[in-house]
Amino acid sequence: NAGVTQTPKFQVLKTGQSMTLQCAQDMNHEYMSWYRQDPGMGLRLIHYSVGAGITDQGEVPNGYNVSRSTTEDFPLRLLSAAPSQTSVYFCASSPDRDRVGFYEQYFGPGTRLTVT
Amino acid sequence: AQSVSQHNHHVILSEAASLELGCNYSYGGTVNLFWYVQYPGQHLQLLLKYFSGDPLVKGIKGFEAEFIKSKFSFNLRKPSVQWSDTAEYFCAAWYSSASKIIFGSGTRLSIRP
Repeated sequence: NAGVTQTPKFQVLKTGQSMTLQCAQDMNHEYMSWYRQDPGMGLRLIHYSVGAGITDQGEVPNGYNVSRSTTEDFPLRLLSAAPSQTSVYFCASSPDRDRVGFYEQYFGPGTRLTVT
Repeated sequence: AQSVSQHNHHVILSEAASLELGCNYSYGGTVNLFWYVQYPGQHLQLLLKYFSGDPLVKGIKGFEAEFIKSKFSFNLRKPSVQWSDTAEYFCAAWYSSASKIIFGSGTRLSIRP
């Protein structure tokens, strides 16, 4: 298994541009989530999904969209990039949507995004 | 609102010193607790977790954590740290009333050789 994969690893955007961060997992996990990591603020939940076709907002959803058309993929879209979205983005997955808190979350390697 | 607090932002220790990193969580019903570690340049990985039972939980690499319900705390400990323990440590809580895991702000641990 490749686990959780994320692309790209690095990205530089200009203010106002849009882009999609890709996340895929090959473990048949029901639960997937997106976090951003900022110095001194830890990981903050952006959006999460408990299964294909079901998504919900986390702590900091503004400026981001997600969709979950398949179990494997959970892309994160930045609609109009802003400097405040400069961050490291992590995707994570967990096996059971009803018992998410009983399992380890498996994290991807992260995408480092800079918005100028 | 559910929250997780880590009050130590940066801890610097010498090798062989003992470690204790603080973690407090807010009340929110049944809660499961985790410690994750992020080594430099790597993604997060699980150190240990607590669901129920023995409040002293042992994890990988000699780490352990104690769940103290009365204090809403889940502190991470290691009797003798090594240079390879240099990393950022995150406490996290899963509240059964919500479908999300809340992370603390992290503690950066630096070990002097």
